[in-house]
Amino acid sequence: QQQVKQSPQSLIVQKGGISIINCAYENTAFDYFPWYQQFPGKGPALLIAIRPDVSEKKEGRFTISFNKSAKQFSLHIMDSQPGDSATYFCAATRGTSGSARQLTFGSGTQLTVLP
Amino acid sequence: DAGVIQSPRHEVTEMGQEVTLRCKPISGHNSLFWYRQTMMRGLELLIYFNNNVPIDDSGMPEDRFSAKMPNASFSTLKIQPSEPRDSAVYFCASSREKAFFGQGTRLTVV
Repeated sequence: QQQVKQSPQSLIVQKGGISIINCAYENTAFDYFPWYQQFPGKGPALLIAIRPDVSEKKEGRFTISFNKSAKQFSLHIMDSQPGDSATYFCAATRGTSGSARQLTFGSGTQLTVLP
Repeated sequence: DAGVIQSPRHEVTEMGQEVTLRCKPISGHNSLFWYRQTMMRGLELLIYFNNNVPIDDSGMPEDRFSAKMPNASFSTLKIQPSEPRDSAVYFCASSREKAFFGQGTRLTVV
């Protein structure tokens, strides 16, 4: 019930291409879906997040698409750059504003963008 | 703000020894989380605090692990006695609305 399934495990994209990472969740009580980016030796850093009342959120080259009926959400990285090479984690949580954000993480996707 | 500060960054210890990991959350954040990251199991939530009170410690592997948050600006995660299978990167995160992670402590138990 608490799982978040992420795919693919690894992804190789050419510079300028589109990177797409997918996640699926089971718990319909989840109401906040962030994506984290992690570089080697660093902690995960919040990249972008979405709530289920919208189907898409865009910030620069990063877009989250959300399908509530399918219980799926995805991260699209447009014009991928070598500097985007990192591990990406989707996550999900539930709770009202201001409460603890107990995140359930996906298994991670290692993205490599070739120059 | 300096972000979430964890210490030490690296810890190597012998099996059976006590290990204490430290975390200073971002000022004003009312929630604090301890996560463990391994290749096999990914990011696992160990315990989280809300307003310094432990809310859910169901992720703590066993009684060898304990965590405290004596005040809003400090938390510790203790492993006693440590075992080789505890080797991992331990992250502390704090949150008010969004969760921010520290740099992590890489623990190696030999």
